[in-house]
Amino acid sequence: IAGITQAPTSQILAAGRRMTLRCTQDMRHNAMYWYRQDLGLGLRLIHYSNTAGTTGKGEVPDGYSVSRANTDDFPLTLASAVPSQTSVYFCASSAWHRTGELFFGEGSRLTVL
Amino acid sequence: KNEVEQSPQNLTAQEGEFITINCSYSVGISALHWLQQHPGGGIVSLFMLSSGKKKHGRLIATINIQEKHSSLHITASHPRDSAVYICALVPNTGNQFYFGTGTSLTVIP
Repeated sequence: IAGITQAPTSQILAAGRRMTLRCTQDMRHNAMYWYRQDLGLGLRLIHYSNTAGTTGKGEVPDGYSVSRANTDDFPLTLASAVPSQTSVYFCASSAWHRTGELFFGEGSRLTVL
Repeated sequence: KNEVEQSPQNLTAQEGEFITINCSYSVGISALHWLQQHPGGGIVSLFMLSSGKKKHGRLIATINIQEKHSSLHITASHPRDSAVYICALVPNTGNQFYFGTGTSLTVIP
């Protein structure tokens, strides 16, 4: 079934550890996004990519990095996790940046202790 | 900052009722999305619209660009409609979407 796959679905992590959340889509979408969802705050954009090879910062990029080596994959890395990064992370894609329907992954619940 | 406001925050309805969820915003936009998030977390796109009205089954979305307002209507509501409904803006400038904090809908049998 076409769509977006995120991994892991859930992770508990010690503060200071490095963590990579994986995101893969098979729809050949150009644009991909990483959001975090926190209670009462709604979805907030961390990083985005208009097309393979390019990335950009969103609203809350500090402490996170991304790469877009190819069309399908858009991993999100926490270089040194902190408790404030405890959140639910969603990867999303659309055919073109800022246009087209948004498709979301199932989310990755991350707890940093 | 509150570029997008949704109302109500919480809504409880009896099965069969007509439901309206509102989204007001303060920036110029090129499009607006309505999203649905069920308990358990998955997010699904319901509509993307830039003008007028769209209908899909029992769901209707409208937008008034001049008044900076959109509504999501659910006709003949059903318990399976229970979810959080999120409004998301595509502003005319910049690279970000702006998301509302969502309306939590519970439909009671």
